[in-house]
Amino acid sequence: SQQGEEDPQALSIQEGENATMNCSYKTSINNLQWYRQNSGRGLVHLILIRSNEREKHSGRLRVTLDTSKKSSSLLITASRAADTASYFCATDAGDDKIIFGKGTRLHILP
Amino acid sequence: SAVISQKPSRDICQRGTSLTIQCQVDSQVTMMFWYRQQPGQSLTLIATANQGSEATYESGFVIDKFPISRPNLTFSTLTVSNLSPEDSSIYLCSVETGRQGQYFGPGTRLTVT
Repeated sequence: SQQGEEDPQALSIQEGENATMNCSYKTSINNLQWYRQNSGRGLVHLILIRSNEREKHSGRLRVTLDTSKKSSSLLITASRAADTASYFCATDAGDDKIIFGKGTRLHILP
Repeated sequence: SAVISQKPSRDICQRGTSLTIQCQVDSQVTMMFWYRQQPGQSLTLIATANQGSEATYESGFVIDKFPISRPNLTFSTLTVSNLSPEDSSIYLCSVETGRQGQYFGPGTRLTVT
C-alpha cells in the first residue's frame, strides 16, 4: 500500500528560521494532504495539493509536489513557538481513504 | 470545512470493559472514517463507515473488537470492546469533504488500566 514517509523524523530550529519537511510516497496519488498535530490532540488540516498542482501557499506555509519524484515538501517560514508540533503527510489510497506517514516532530527553540 | 466533535475527549477504563466513542459532524457527509493512533505513532485507519451500509474494516481490525454504527449522515460511533492495555490510544474520527480534503475530530484519548 502507498504510504508517505516524512523526513526528517525530528527537527529543531531557532524561532524565526524556516522549517522544511519532506514527504515521499510510493505510488501514484490523486492528492496529498499535510496535517499538524499538537501534543496528544486532534489533527489540524493544513493544505491539500492535487496531483496536477505543483505548489500551494497558505499564510506562512508553502507546499510543493513533485509527482515525478513522488515527493512533497512543507515549508514553514518565520517559525514561531506555536509551530512546535508533529507534522504528517497523507496520501489518498483510493475510495477517499488516506494513508499517513510517520510524521516529523518539529521543535521551535526560543 | 466541517466541524467535528467527539465524546468523550478522554477516558480511563478497566480491562475487559468497553468504551463507545461518539463522532458528530455539523453537516451531512457520506464518508466517515475511524483511526487509531498508538502512543508515539502515526495514524492507522480502522474502518470506513458509510451511512446505510456495513462498515469496511482494514486488515488487522475486526467488527467484533471495533463495532461501528452509522445511523445517519452526521453521526457515528466506534466501540472498542473487551479492552486491554494495548488498546490505550487516541481514537479519531474524520470526514471526507470532497474538494477540501479530509478533516478530523479532536480525538478521544483512551487509557486502559
